[in-house]
Formats: sequence, structure tokens, C-alpha cells
Amino acid sequence: TQLLEQSPQFLSIQEGENLTVYCNSSSVFSSLQWYRQEPGEGPVLLVTVVTGGEVKKLKRLTFQFGDARKDSSLHITAAQPGDTGLYLCAGDLYNFNKFYFGSGTKLNVKP
Amino acid sequence: DTEVTQTPKHLVMGMTNKKSLKCEQHMGHRAMYWYKQKAKKPPELMFVYSYEKLSINESVPSRFSPECPNSSLLNLHLHALQPEDSALYLCASSQDTAGGYEQYFGPGTRLTVT
Repeated sequence: TQLLEQSPQFLSIQEGENLTVYCNSSSVFSSLQWYRQEPGEGPVLLVTVVTGGEVKKLKRLTFQFGDARKDSSLHITAAQPGDTGLYLCAGDLYNFNKFYFGSGTKLNVKP
Repeated sequence: DTEVTQTPKHLVMGMTNKKSLKCEQHMGHRAMYWYKQKAKKPPELMFVYSYEKLSINESVPSRFSPECPNSSLLNLHLHALQPEDSALYLCASSQDTAGGYEQYFGPGTRLTVT
């Protein structure tokens, strides 16, 4: 059983559409990170959320950390083909000294 | 600068070969990680080093041997690998292993075992 459940697993949309990716758990995380990865490359850190209820914006990307620090979401507005990639959430639990990854969301934005 | 470097970029090795993967960071981070990633899957944690000491080994077979010569370098020594060990090997670092620190990844080494 995955500690962090990420959904959807796959998403194929047209350019200009909006989308939301979810990362859920029954565990409380001290922080949660979102990454974007292209094939054959390492994951690139997009954002870290630390405070319950926190909302962070990065251009067309909006990240939210749940009040109880158990879940997070990534919303993309007006998706572009350049947003195509594998989106990963990763969280660290108190005192476990490692990061737990969600299963990933493969996003394809068609021009 | 948030750069983690890895060499080589690609590696092809036979099952009887010995090779090493290298990782370097100059951010002053005291935690370093090795991950293995198969296609279309999330990274799987292999090892964690904290302050140059091995703190976590996720039951990795002994044909993978990590080494942390100093706070900036992390190696992964490979010996007698199997074809199923072919994967993207990722190195990462963070300021510490305690909660709330960001983890930065290198570009990875694409390993093929023949």
C-alpha cells in the first residue's frame, strides 16, 4: 500500500484546459514537495509546502497543502504543451528521515 | 546554486563487471540519497546518508554498495548486477534528514545491464 496516493495516474488534455492533481494520505507530513520530471531526467523541484492550509502560486501552477497536512493538490491553469511530464508528490514524515513518493501523474498536453 | 551532478550520464555494463556511479553537490547539504527509478514509476529509495554516515538501507542487495567519502560526494559501487537492475539511478541531497527540508535531484545515470 502506497503511503501517498496520487490521482489521476494519467491525464491527457488539450492546450488551454485546466487540471488538478491530488496527493492524499492518512498520515501527517511535516512537508510535502511537488516535482516535475521529463523522460530520462531527474525530478525538478517545483515547490515545497510546509504549513497546513498553505497556498503557493508559481505562474499558472497553484499548490495547496491541506489544513491537516495529510493531502495536497496541484492545479494548472491554461495548460500548455510545455507542461507535459510526470508530476510527483513527495512527503516527509516526522522522525522518519526520508521522503515518501506518490505514484505519479503522467500529464500530456496536446497542442 | 541548487545543482546536484551525476556521472556518468549513461552506463552499459555486463553482469560480471564492476563499475561506480558518482554524485556531487556543493550546497553544504548533510543528507544524500540514492534512488532507483524504473520507467513510468516513482523513484524508490535505496540508501540515505546523514552527516556522512549510512542511516537508511532499504534492504538493497549487497551487489549495490554505497560510499560517502566526504560531505559533498556520494558513490554507488556496482558489482555482479542483474539485467533487472537496469534503471535510472538518481542521487539527491537535502540540508538535513529532519523534517521540512527540500530535496534536490541530479539528472540521473541511465544504467543498462547486459
